Amino acid sequence: AQSVTQLGSHVSVSEGALVLLRCNYSSSVPPYLFWYVQYPNQGLQLLLKYTSAATLVKGINGFEAEFKKSETSFHLTKPSAHMSDAAEYFCAVSESQGGSQFYFGTGTSLTVIP
Amino acid sequence: GAVVSQHPSRVICKSGTSVKIECRSLDFQATTMFWYRQFPKQSLMLMATSNEGSKATYEQGVEKDKFLINHASLTLSTLTVTSAHPEDSSFYICSASDRASGKLFFGSGTQLSVL
Repeated sequence: AQSVTQLGSHVSVSEGALVLLRCNYSSSVPPYLFWYVQYPNQGLQLLLKYTSAATLVKGINGFEAEFKKSETSFHLTKPSAHMSDAAEYFCAVSESQGGSQFYFGTGTSLTVIP
Repeated sequence: GAVVSQHPSRVICKSGTSVKIECRSLDFQATTMFWYRQFPKQSLMLMATSNEGSKATYEQGVEKDKFLINHASLTLSTLTVTSAHPEDSSFYICSASDRASGKLFFGSGTQLSVL
């Protein structure tokens, strides 16, 4: 069985500060891990994905995430927050890159304070 | 916690038939539901946004007559793939926005295979 836990449903950071959004997963098979972002009134956009290649994954808009098997974590980071980063972020796990069930976390709402 | 039930999880059908996928919010009211599609090794792609009691808003390139969406109640939205063809084979997933909290919750998806 697979599941995802996102710690912190709301995170606030100052503009220019480090963004850290936490995601822990459980999976009985080697997982594929994803971070999606949803801006207000829009659908999901893929930020980045881990597919068993490099453990440090770089995504769009300066975001990156590191797969740590020993900690079963896939935390999302960005060195310097922009106002435009304010959105809802979802971590997801799947057994494959597509054609398999997804399990999403409950989301983390990121607020960026000017 | 809030749960979105998506059914069926897998369906195999013959070309030319129609398939209905249900998305239910089990313990909350969903004013808005989203339908996504994913091809292998690609990202989720938003197909349409449906609001209870009104017509769905389709993304560019998504055929309205092919993918019928009905959001008749605050807890149920359905996606019907009409006259399915092999190229419609894909993974479909829904999400529902909680009327009270505004939070978004996801179904676990439906794998459609058209023979």
